[in-house]
Amino acid sequence: QQPVQSPQAVILREGEDAVINCSSSKALYSVHWYRQKHGEAPVFLMILLKGGEQKGHEKISASFNEKKQQSSLYLTASQLSYSGTYFCGTESGTGRRALTFGSGTRLQVQP
Amino acid sequence: NAGVTQTPKFQVLKTGQSMTLQCAQDMNHEYMSWYRQDPGMGLRLIHYSVGAGITDQGEVPNGYNVSRSTTEDFPLRLLSAAPSQTSVYFCATSSGRNSGANVLTFGAGSRLTVL
Repeated sequence: QQPVQSPQAVILREGEDAVINCSSSKALYSVHWYRQKHGEAPVFLMILLKGGEQKGHEKISASFNEKKQQSSLYLTASQLSYSGTYFCGTESGTGRRALTFGSGTRLQVQP
Repeated sequence: NAGVTQTPKFQVLKTGQSMTLQCAQDMNHEYMSWYRQDPGMGLRLIHYSVGAGITDQGEVPNGYNVSRSTTEDFPLRLLSAAPSQTSVYFCATSSGRNSGANVLTFGAGSRLTVL
């Protein structure tokens, strides 16, 4: 079963912040975040392996609440280069290695 | 390093025709998978493999076959193409969970149109 992402789409001005949420009905081993530019392949952003873990890279960070089976991606002071579609991918705790993706959040950053 | 190579990049088929999408990797990754991407549906897992000789079904396996005879190659076969299989197909690989993180590297994609 696919994880549920929200919102489906976001339009921002440069410098504004955004939060993208991802939730699953299954117990999770890990949560991944990927970004896809139009016409390109998805590219890995970060992975969260432990409950309550928060990771970050520059102005993009994420949290993972293992008990609630939820993750959030935080984009701070957005830049034009942040535009694209963001996908969360979840790996269940059953030992099955396959990654299941949400339907994506389209983010558009305007000047 | 080539990474993950998919061929062909574009293909047009007629209903009922068969074809194989190729995926090759030179990173010695044990895990390989196929996804299809349709507008508004995200990436849906078709089949995956955790090593040579081992394959398993994903979320949408019907109409597709796979095999894994070598570590490097993971072809996806459409035996009798249908218009519902019109999509962009991505092959994705990883070194596997044992290495610490099951991070996926994607190929560039193959756009398939079935008329």
